[in-house]
Amino acid sequence: AQSVTQLGSHVSVSEGALVLLRCNYSSSVPPYLFWYVQYPNQGLQLLLKYTTGATLVKGINGFEAEFKKSETSFHLTKPSAHMSDAAEYFCAVSNTGGFKTIFGAGTRLFVKA
Amino acid sequence: EPEVTQTPSHQVTQMGQEVILRCVPISNHLYFYWYRQILGQKVEFLVSFYNNEISEKSEIFDDQFSVERPDGSNFTLKIRSTKLEDSAMYFCASGRQGGTGELFFGEGSRLTVL
Repeated sequence: AQSVTQLGSHVSVSEGALVLLRCNYSSSVPPYLFWYVQYPNQGLQLLLKYTTGATLVKGINGFEAEFKKSETSFHLTKPSAHMSDAAEYFCAVSNTGGFKTIFGAGTRLFVKA
Repeated sequence: EPEVTQTPSHQVTQMGQEVILRCVPISNHLYFYWYRQILGQKVEFLVSFYNNEISEKSEIFDDQFSVERPDGSNFTLKIRSTKLEDSAMYFCASGRQGGTGELFFGEGSRLTVL
């Protein structure tokens, strides 16, 4: 069975500071990993995904994530937080041939002025 | 830009009543999903649908739930006899690929069971 664990239900950073949102996954087969963002009263939208190949993945809005198989991690980073980054972020896992994507519990990002 | 649309945006119902939530996925997508999110909690997988049948379902998706793609464009979720604990935001999603691909989510249907 696949699962993801997001460390920290809430993260608060100052505007301009580094954003680091942590995600660890569990999968018995090579995983496909995703980060989605949810703004208030909206559905989820894809930030970035890792399927195969390069382990450092760049996404929209300056976010990137690195797949580390040895650590079973897929942490999301952004060098400099912006007020507009305040949202809920979900890490997710699926696998080839699978028919479901499993989401983590989410991390709410607060950005202070 | 194509998007997933869901109706209604909010439905209030009495316990024991039947509810149908409707979704129009993106037209060239082949994979369809329902997820739910209880207020403040994680996004939970309910069911996936491909080639006119359920591909996978979770433990939450019991006999009270059913899905249908009645006319090639709509994708519906029916809850036969609602319970208080069914109160949640229900998200429809669609995708071009199976488990490896991006999911495109609608804005959700908030269900409140009284």
